[in-house]
Amino acid sequence: KAGVTQTPRYLIKTRGQQVTLSCSPISGHRSVSWYQQTPGQGLQFLFEYFSETQRNKGNFPGRFSGRQFSNSRSEMNVSTLELGDSALYLCASSLTPGLAGGPDTQYFGPGTRLTVL
Amino acid sequence: SQQGEEDPQALSIQEGENATMNCSYKTSINNLQWYRQNSGRGLVHLILIRSNEREKHSGRLRVTLDTSKKSSSLLITASRAADTASYFCATPDYNKLIFGAGTRLAVHP
Repeated sequence: KAGVTQTPRYLIKTRGQQVTLSCSPISGHRSVSWYQQTPGQGLQFLFEYFSETQRNKGNFPGRFSGRQFSNSRSEMNVSTLELGDSALYLCASSLTPGLAGGPDTQYFGPGTRLTVL
Repeated sequence: SQQGEEDPQALSIQEGENATMNCSYKTSINNLQWYRQNSGRGLVHLILIRSNEREKHSGRLRVTLDTSKKSSSLLITASRAADTASYFCATPDYNKLIFGAGTRLAVHP
């Protein structure tokens, strides 16, 4: 099976612009999660989608949004970019829907490196 | 907020030596997972240990879990230069994982 793919791999934007990142999960996986990784804050959860529904969102401003399509592919959007949004954005998919006991193995994509100038 | 906290933050060893990383967490968990990240790349799942397990092996990896102390350890035996990476523990919180700050492991030839 193909792994999780993310596009683009690298992106350079300027402050005030917006950006859309894409993630294709492993075939058959319906849960997609997004994480932001920065040197200062580490890995932080952004949001999770299952069956086109956002089920959970991390502590990020409303400039960060996402969606999931019927084929489980997901996109995240960041509007009005700030310098602090520079980060590695990781997408992960999992087979189990993440019930009260939490998700089992999450499979991560290679990430999108976003640089905001 | 970070649930898992790894110790040490950085570890430097020679090839062939063993590397031990520790993780502490705060709340009750269903399972604990370890991931590896090579420089600036995606995370690779290494091993998952459930709350009713005390020890688990996978190749050169050995993970222990002590739920009474809310801690876990990852042991890499006979390390290789290719093991150079950052290692993270992660605990589930409903439908997301909460990661620790990670341990940076450098294995020198």
